[in-house]
Amino acid sequence: DAKTTQPPSMDCAEGRAANLPCNHSTISGNEYVYWYRQIHSQGPQYIIHGLKNNETNEMASLIITEDRKSSTLILPHATLRDTAVYYCIVMGGSSNTGKLIFGQGTTLQVKP
Amino acid sequence: SAVISQKPSRDICQRGTSLTIQCQVDSQVTMMFWYRQQPGQSLTLIATANQGSEATYESGFVIDKFPISRPNLTFSTLTVSNMSPEDSSIYLCSVSHLRQFEYGYTFGSGTRLTVV
Repeated sequence: DAKTTQPPSMDCAEGRAANLPCNHSTISGNEYVYWYRQIHSQGPQYIIHGLKNNETNEMASLIITEDRKSSTLILPHATLRDTAVYYCIVMGGSSNTGKLIFGQGTTLQVKP
Repeated sequence: SAVISQKPSRDICQRGTSLTIQCQVDSQVTMMFWYRQQPGQSLTLIATANQGSEATYESGFVIDKFPISRPNLTFSTLTVSNMSPEDSSIYLCSVSHLRQFEYGYTFGSGTRLTVV
């Protein structure tokens, strides 16, 4: 599975959009981009995933560049409860092991 | 998505003893995993729990230290054996369905282990 690079931390004002970048320049074939988040003292929570097209659900939007080498998770109206560590993970493809491997993630601090 | 019950939620144990953590899922799942999260760190995959056969361990983790059982498609246990203070961590189980690419993975709420 391809490796991802994320900034270690970001701040966002409450009510504004939070844009979390992820670099996955070695992504290949049919590998998917997944986003999870972990709120303090809880298990990780699935947010969204995508392959090539942009995706949106009730939690967030996922924008994947045309070359698929990077993506951005967008929380359109961040609230204090969105303060968490956000993990971008690439998985799948022809060598899919089914294992979810976590990097260090981005700590998002939403401020009032 | 699946609902996971993980027990115990926390425990304080004496060094040299063992603790067994249970992971119960409300539906049959194809894959079950165990993770460790040391204080202030990200999650590290310990092993894949295979139904009816021995677990598959990641580099740095061995069966003698972390024996795992998975007797059926809804239940697994992780034992932390001969504990030392370095084993103080949060241990989490995770499951995926056959249609993992549609639903993502579900995680339990974790077991917070403190070894004294």
